[in-house]
Amino acid sequence: NAGVTQTPKFQVLKTGQSMTLQCAQDMNHEYMSWYRQDPGMGLRLIHYSVGAGITDQGEVPNGYNVSRSTTEDFPLRLLSAAPSQTSVYFCASSYGASGQPQHFGDGTRLSIL
Amino acid sequence: DAKTTQPTSMDCAEGRAANLPCNHSTISGNEYVYWYRQIHSQGPQYIIHGLKNNETNEMASLIITEDRKSSTLILPHATLRDTAVYYCIVRAAGYGQNFVFGPGTRLSVLP
Repeated sequence: NAGVTQTPKFQVLKTGQSMTLQCAQDMNHEYMSWYRQDPGMGLRLIHYSVGAGITDQGEVPNGYNVSRSTTEDFPLRLLSAAPSQTSVYFCASSYGASGQPQHFGDGTRLSIL
Repeated sequence: DAKTTQPTSMDCAEGRAANLPCNHSTISGNEYVYWYRQIHSQGPQYIIHGLKNNETNEMASLIITEDRKSSTLILPHATLRDTAVYYCIVRAAGYGQNFVFGPGTRLSVLP
């Protein structure tokens, strides 16, 4: 059971480049979400999805797009990378919403030069 | 902002119980208490959660006071591999509810 898998683990981009962070889970979880964690700060919610075909914005959605075409996958796209997006990105998933805990991937460490 | 208060750091001897306190005096009736930990720079690892009853699983026990204003995470027999930052999080049920991770408690298990 792989749980939540994120790729790549590390990435360096130049300002203005675009890229997609991949997230896949094999637990048949309906709910998936993306967070970013900046040094010395807590996790902040970027986007989330309650099921295939349904996405919504979190606390800090600007500069990011998501889609959910399957239950398993929830990619995060950076449209035009900016240095302020340098961060560690975590994907998480869970069953439903009624108090169920989220399970996190190991993160993607992204640096924008 | 995090709705919880935790000590910055704690030490525990290997093999002894580690008791990590958390204050959440403004908790609402529909908010759960979750505990996660983060080892080095890995992803947050779920430990346990509860609403008002005490909970136990293979990793830890969660003791919630009757007024729900504080809780304690108990690792019954701490090992060196339990050295990590432990986060106590209060979060309501419902989609889009953010997990707000504060600075947590850095637990050092000493040999």
